[in-house]
Amino acid sequence: QVQLVQSGAEVKKPGASVKVSCKVSGYTLTELSMHWVRQAPGKRFEWMGGFDPEDGETVYPRSFQGRVTMTEDTSTDTAYMELSSLKSDDTAVYHCVTYRASTWAFHSWGQGTLVTVSS
Amino acid sequence: DLQMTQSPSSLSASVGDSVTITCRASQTMSRYLNWYQQKPGKAPELLIYTVSTLQTGVSSRFSGSGSGTDFTLTISSLQPEDFATYYCQQTYSTQWTFGQGTKVEIK
Repeated sequence: QVQLVQSGAEVKKPGASVKVSCKVSGYTLTELSMHWVRQAPGKRFEWMGGFDPEDGETVYPRSFQGRVTMTEDTSTDTAYMELSSLKSDDTAVYHCVTYRASTWAFHSWGQGTLVTVSS
Repeated sequence: DLQMTQSPSSLSASVGDSVTITCRASQTMSRYLNWYQQKPGKAPELLIYTVSTLQTGVSSRFSGSGSGTDFTLTISSLQPEDFATYYCQQTYSTQWTFGQGTKVEIK
């Protein structure tokens, strides 16, 4: 059973960056395809990108390209998502999620990290 | 981008009722359509993947169907623990997207 535990809530000013961590247990990070999803208040979930096991590369949707960076530390089984040039509409709950290519779906979700962007 | 529109946005039902939620894609897509359940204050959980395959451990009260642009999630004999918000998601296009959610409330 995969467990994903994320870092705590953050408050950032516009223009700053935020880095959210996601600690994996039950599996090693190398066995997983980690993605990130966010949900702003009153909005639908947005996929932010993640590791494509077929290509062996991290893929980002157009809407986040150039502003988001996803990295992994396999020595600690921790994934990171950094979002830069924050704006007020980046205020959202950010989740790490595991993706399985065999089912084309997200199977395990982190508890979520609230990032608030406010001046 | 492939847009997903759920209907209704919310519904009220009683324990024991059968309910159906629809997810419509903005263009024809293949079978990469998933359903998630989210309860207040919790992360979503996968219910159904690739249109109709039940995730391990999920009650057989849940079923999915559809093709092309129209997909449905049916919950038969609603139980108290089924009152939640349900989301569809497509992983067909290169830009994965979610529906806006359907909140199932107790009547």
